[in-house]
Amino acid sequence: GQNIDQPTEMTATEGAIVQINCTYQTSGFNGLFWYQQHAGEAPTFLSYNVLDGLEEKGRFSSFLSRSKGYSYLLLKELQMKDSASYLCAVRDDLRGGATNKLIFGTGTLLAVQP
Amino acid sequence: DTEVTQTPKHLVMGMTNKKSLKCEQHMGHRAMYWYKQKAKKPPELMFVYSYEKLSINESVPSRFSPECPNSSLLNLHLHALQPEDSALYLCASSPGLASPDEQFFGPGTRLTVL
Repeated sequence: GQNIDQPTEMTATEGAIVQINCTYQTSGFNGLFWYQQHAGEAPTFLSYNVLDGLEEKGRFSSFLSRSKGYSYLLLKELQMKDSASYLCAVRDDLRGGATNKLIFGTGTLLAVQP
Repeated sequence: DTEVTQTPKHLVMGMTNKKSLKCEQHMGHRAMYWYKQKAKKPPELMFVYSYEKLSINESVPSRFSPECPNSSLLNLHLHALQPEDSALYLCASSPGLASPDEQFFGPGTRLTVL
C-alpha cells in the first residue's frame, strides 16, 4: 500500500527554524517533492530530492534518505507569510514507465506566531 | 506566462446538472493533470494526460469525464454528481512525464454539489 505520513500541525515563532518531517512507504519511488499551500490557494513547488542528501534553496532546505523512507523540510528565519500547509509528495512511476504520478502526504499545517 | 488558469473559481450545481471545469496553460507543457482535494486533505490524483492522450485514470467514477482538446486545454465534464463530490478540483501541468518535472498547479475550482 501507499503511506506517506507527516505531523498534522506545527507551531513555530517568527525568526526561528522549523523542521517538518515526512516518512513514506510506497510501491515505487522516483523522487520526493515538497509543496506549500496557503489556505484556498494552489500548491506551489518548493523543492525536489531524488538522491540522498540535502538540497538548499534560500531559506528552505530539504533532505532525503531513501533507505529510511524519510525526508524533512527545513525552514529558516521564519516569516509570518510562511504560515501554510506543507505537503510532501512522492513521485511514483510504478507502472514501469514515466507517469509523474504524485502521491501526497497528509500535509502539515504550520502556524508562525509573532 | 508561467500560470495555470482554471474557470470557474466557484461552482454550485445540483445532482441532475451537467457542468464543465476548464483548465488552460500556455507554458508549452505536454502533461496535464486533474486532482481532487477535500477540506484538510491532500490532493488526490484523478487523471493524467500526456500529449493529449489519457495516460492515467485512477478508477474515477464515470460521472467525471475528462477531455483534452489540445495541448493547452484540459476540461472536466461533470454529470449526475453526488454531494460527496464537493471538493476543490485542481488542475496541474508539467513539461512532460519524465523526471524531474515539477507540476504547476492552478488555483482550483471549488465545487459544491447540492
